[in-house]
Amino acid sequence: EAGVTQFPSHSVIEKGQTVTLRCDPISGHDNLYWYRRVMGKEIKFLLHFVKESKQDESGMPNNRFLAERTGGTYSTLKVQPAELEDSGVYFCASSQGLAGGQEQFFGPGTRLTVL
Amino acid sequence: DQQVKQNSPSLSVQEGRISILNCDYTNSMFDYFLWYKKYPAEGPTFLISISSIKDKNEDGRFTVFLNKSAKHLSLHIVPSQPGDSAVYFCAASGINNNDMRFGAGTRLTVKP
Repeated sequence: EAGVTQFPSHSVIEKGQTVTLRCDPISGHDNLYWYRRVMGKEIKFLLHFVKESKQDESGMPNNRFLAERTGGTYSTLKVQPAELEDSGVYFCASSQGLAGGQEQFFGPGTRLTVL
Repeated sequence: DQQVKQNSPSLSVQEGRISILNCDYTNSMFDYFLWYKKYPAEGPTFLISISSIKDKNEDGRFTVFLNKSAKHLSLHIVPSQPGDSAVYFCAASGINNNDMRFGAGTRLTVKP
């Protein structure tokens, strides 16, 4: 069974440009999460989809970030326009159920560098 | 506001000895606590979890202890092996909500 995949693995852009990150969850997983880790700090929750609906987007930093999950399959996270502080590793994770304590399966992450 | 804290950024132990990784949390509403392990260039992978109604959970060489009154948990690895060298993240979630809050991680190095 394929795991969670993310594309691209690395992205280097200039301040003010737009970047779109993609996540393909494990097939059949209704729950999809986005996280971000700034170097050396905690893995910070950004948002949670249940199928195509946003269950919780309380962690999204500001309106420069837009996440979508059309059709409840893959998800995209767009940053427009990118700022220097947006640099970090963006992780996507998926899980089957909604209840607390369930294992989330993580992708390898997208390393975003904003110059 | 960081609700899950791992105050030791790194830990080094000798192969065969015990590794103890610590984690503190501030939100008493958390119901589940999980440990994830992360190798370079990979995403975190689940290691072990514990429910707030328990104080210990064991899986092979890995044991997690929970002290609710102190809002503290720890991961014990016995015996430690060089392949255990990785960054370990502590995470917590609610009972009806699987949105996790993570600590900053502890880098464990097990020396042969």
